[in-house]
Amino acid sequence: TVMTQSPLSLPVTPGEPASISCRSSQSLLHTNGYNYLNWYVQKPGQSPHLLIYLGSNRASGVPDRFGGSGSGTDFTLTINRVEAEDVGVYYCMQTLQTPFTFGPGTKVDIK
Amino acid sequence: EVQLVQSGAEVKKPGESLKISCRGSGYTFASHWIGWVRQMPGKGLECMGIIFPGGSDIRYSPSFQGQVTMSADKSINTAYLQLSSLKASDTGIYYCARHLSYSGSLDAFDIWGQGTMVTVSS
Repeated sequence: TVMTQSPLSLPVTPGEPASISCRSSQSLLHTNGYNYLNWYVQKPGQSPHLLIYLGSNRASGVPDRFGGSGSGTDFTLTINRVEAEDVGVYYCMQTLQTPFTFGPGTKVDIK
Repeated sequence: EVQLVQSGAEVKKPGESLKISCRGSGYTFASHWIGWVRQMPGKGLECMGIIFPGGSDIRYSPSFQGQVTMSADKSINTAYLQLSSLKASDTGIYYCARHLSYSGSLDAFDIWGQGTMVTVSS
């Protein structure tokens, strides 16, 4: 399954909203009703960490300004009000079938 | 605290082999799949494969099949990634990560190790 993201670079203004799109070459909707699409952020010099799993579930400790939506092949990560600490590279990843695959990443930085 | 701790950075010569370790703590290690992810310098994330420490199930990504060997020793809560016949193109950061299972399947990598930097140079 090929994952694509847009944009690949996203300059943001603190306090403003931001969104990233992720598309998969095959539907990620399982017969159990879950979409096997996750979002991660990798901040400079750090390991990636999980933001959103199963399309729309915030991982433990993730601020509620982060939200995931979408189904099937089209997904969106939304940051309601960007903060300076949100800079990093955001990746989507599908776990519906092995091999699990990541999108190319979207680099978010401050304007 | 749930965590994965990886072995330290390695510098190797082409043709050599190495084995990276990933030790889990704070949870039942044998009950969660572990994945390995490569990040080449300045590039994105690639899933190399996954292993279930509590059994013998291993699933390699086709791009890495035959190039790496995954194993685990549940008695010491440790997973391993072995790289053989190293090439300069194997240079990168290798992460292990634990699988979350909320849906009953393999949902997401919820806990990541700190990464192991591997440099292959003559």
